[in-house]
Amino acid sequence: AQSVSQHNHHVILSEAASLELGCNYSYGGTVNLFWYVQYPGQHLQLLLKYFSGDPLVKGIKGFEAEFIKSKFSFNLRKPSVQWSDTAEYFCAVDNYGQNFVFGPGTRLSVLP
Amino acid sequence: ETGVTQSPTHLIKTRGQQVTLRCSSQSGHNTVSWYQQALGQGPQFIFQYYREEENGRGNFPPRFSGLQFPNYSSELNVNALELDDSALYLCASSFRKQNTEAFFGQGTRLTVV
Repeated sequence: AQSVSQHNHHVILSEAASLELGCNYSYGGTVNLFWYVQYPGQHLQLLLKYFSGDPLVKGIKGFEAEFIKSKFSFNLRKPSVQWSDTAEYFCAVDNYGQNFVFGPGTRLSVLP
Repeated sequence: ETGVTQSPTHLIKTRGQQVTLRCSSQSGHNTVSWYQQALGQGPQFIFQYYREEENGRGNFPPRFSGLQFPNYSSELNVNALELDDSALYLCASSFRKQNTEAFFGQGTRLTVV
């Protein structure tokens, strides 16, 4: 079975700091990869996705992620965070096209 | 807004009771998946419905069951509720084809006391 791990449980940053959230998955074959964000009290929203092609993927709100197949990683980055980025971030892998396997999530707190 | 709506938004039930949660999928989507998100954890896959049939199931006992209707809306039923069933239940709708994304509803917060 596939599994997804996220490196950090809780990250605290000041505004304008750079962000990198780690994500590793277990499956070595072809995968679809996603980052979702969950703002307090809101539904899960797709930040970005990787299906194939350029391993550097750009998403909404200035986020990007890099797929490194050799490292089974799909890390999320943002050059300069804002207070409004405070949320829970989930990495997910598409389980053979059937359902998502989510990581445990990383809580990001951005201090103004 | 994703176009996926869930009802109710909050629910309190007593241990041993039964509960039904509902989901209306986004227009044009034919697949509905249900996830359980316990506090402080990532969503866990319960099951998926495609064309009114169960199309995959996660590691959940049979007291978790579901339905999908001809209009692609769906229900999640949980019998004999346990305290550990307290969680946010998420519905995701998608169109069944390769390389597609899913859209999530806002969830139903179930508390079992």
